[in-house]
This record gives sequence, C-alpha cells and structure tokens, in this order.
Amino acid sequence: EPEVTQTPSHQVTQMGQEVILRCVPISNHLYFYWYRQILGQKVEFLVSFYNNEISEKSEIFDDQFSVERPDGSNFTLKIRSTKLEDSAMYFCASLQGDTQYFGPGTRLTVL
Amino acid sequence: AQSVTQLDSHVSVSEGTPVLLRCNYSSSYSPSLFWYVQHPNKGLQLLLKYTSAATLVKGINGFEAEFKKSETSFHLTKPSAHMSDAAEYFCVVSGTGFQKLVFGTGTRLLVSP
Repeated sequence: EPEVTQTPSHQVTQMGQEVILRCVPISNHLYFYWYRQILGQKVEFLVSFYNNEISEKSEIFDDQFSVERPDGSNFTLKIRSTKLEDSAMYFCASLQGDTQYFGPGTRLTVL
Repeated sequence: AQSVTQLDSHVSVSEGTPVLLRCNYSSSYSPSLFWYVQHPNKGLQLLLKYTSAATLVKGINGFEAEFKKSETSFHLTKPSAHMSDAAEYFCVVSGTGFQKLVFGTGTRLLVSP
C-alpha cells in the first residue's frame, strides 16, 4: 500500500541554522500539507500546497518558513533560521478524496 | 471557524472492557470528522471518517463512531479493548475536500491487563 515517507526521522540543529525537511507524498496525490506537534501539545496546521503554490497557511507559517515541490516527487519544508521553539514533530500529509494520509514525521530538535 | 473538543485527556480501561472516547465538534456547516490514532513514536494513522454518509461509521481494529448532529458529537467506541489499543487518539474536523484539518487536544488511552 502506498505511503507518505519523510526524511530524516530525526534532525538535530543549532539555533539559527537552516533546516530542510523532506517528504515524498503518495504519487497520484495533488494536495500536500505540513503540520507540526510540539511535545505535549496538539497537532497544528502549518500550510497547504496545490498546483505549485500555497493554498492556505497558518499564522505560525511566517517568513522563516517556506515550502517547495522541487521535482515530481518531493515536497519540502524549509526553516531558514531555526529557533528553540521550532523544536517539534513535523508531519507531512497528502490528500486523496477527503482523507489526508500522514507520514511518520520528522522530529526536529533545536539546541 | 471549526473546532473539536475532546472531553477527556486520559481514559483508563481494563483489557476486554468497552472503550469510549468523547468528542464534540463545532462547525458552521456540515463537517467532515475523523479519528486518528498515534502510537508512541509513530505517525498518525486514520481510524475512521465521517463525510455525510452513514452516521454510524466503522473503522479499523474494531473501532466505530457515531455522528450525532443534535448533540454535535462524534464519540469513538470499541466493544472490547486490547492492549495494543493503548495510544493517543485525536478527533479531527475539516471542511470540505482539501481544507486543513483541525485537531483536538487528544485523549491518551491506557489499557491495563
């Protein structure tokens, strides 16, 4: 069964560094999403993406964040200058019909 | 704006007893509702969904949920808990189609032998 995959599973970075989180959505899906879950808190929407542009973004998704679909398979989330409060689990999802399918997540730790 | 409220942060049951995880929703129009499960250090797995078809929805692993518009509820149930059901459960609401998901705060299900 096709799955959403994410790499890396864990990422440790220094504050102020740039990170790129990678996702491979299910191949025939057209809508993509990023969510994050800070430890002990609920899952929060960051951004949705369709037809090579952002469809919707939350107030969390400020100028430090960007998304890109650089080729036909990858979907990336970039954080330009990481802050301590960016430490979280980041989930990618893709949409089929009315259901979003999630990847296993990338745990980002900012030191 | 849409939102969900999960009424219990923790639920403890014994193996073999029924499970009830409660969720109330708020939506200005007919919502789509989902239950996702998250096992420790794992991703989010879809358990079941309601999208304006049958109000009683059956999902994986013996779970089911009933959409009650009059009560704005979408409670998750299972007749008999198994140890492997121990996880975090999220009630989720969205608008139509491609719209973002709005998660509840989660209910941690603990299953004792």
